[in-house]
Amino acid sequence: DIVMTQTPLSSPVTLGQPASISCRSSQSLVHSNGNTYLNWLQQRPGQPPRLLIYEISNRFSGVPDRFSGSGAGTEFTLKISRVEAEDVGIYYCMQATQFPRTFGQGTRLEIK
Amino acid sequence: EVQLLESGGDSVQPGGSLRLSCAASGFSFRTYSMSWVRQAPGKGLEWVSGINEVGGPYYADSVKGRFFISRDTSSSMLYLEMNSLRAEDTAVYYCAKDYPNPVGIAPLFDYWGQGTLVTVSS
Repeated sequence: DIVMTQTPLSSPVTLGQPASISCRSSQSLVHSNGNTYLNWLQQRPGQPPRLLIYEISNRFSGVPDRFSGSGAGTEFTLKISRVEAEDVGIYYCMQATQFPRTFGQGTRLEIK
Repeated sequence: EVQLLESGGDSVQPGGSLRLSCAASGFSFRTYSMSWVRQAPGKGLEWVSGINEVGGPYYADSVKGRFFISRDTSSSMLYLEMNSLRAEDTAVYYCAKDYPNPVGIAPLFDYWGQGTLVTVSS
């Protein structure tokens, strides 16, 4: 199984400041079709997960442009350019390149 | 509008059985693989099972042999039959769109349901 490791596990951030979350996979996430199925999900308190970024760097419909994703192979990053109050929650990276799908442990974003 | 509506969650004793359902609408269900993902109280996300568009199943090792996934394309329903339930199966269970056929027409895991709570306790 592919192990997904996120750092940090907790990120206190001042409103308006940037935030960054890293995700490392135990093996390459490049699929045989050439795509890399690395997603970033946001889970606000009491809500189901919501797709933010798919295939490393593509923002899903309705996601603010302050969210961006980057990376390749086994190293990936989610960045929030200016954190807003509504960004509080837990962020997960996940891989859908192979079964079983696997998730990072989650990173809790909180406001200082 | 894409909607995924889970139901069937309940409180059950260890060793018991439960069947979860997920009603899908707003997209071409027959062309999508689907997955179940669970979240134990206060914990992270764990993929449980998936099924491709022709019914081929996939399972996490933690549920293999106890859980069985199925789908009814005619009614756009996804199911999870859960047997020999254990305390560690206690979680909110989400259904989610997995990959489309053909791949590339939509992101994977773009929509999730609201979840249904399964509690296994004596």
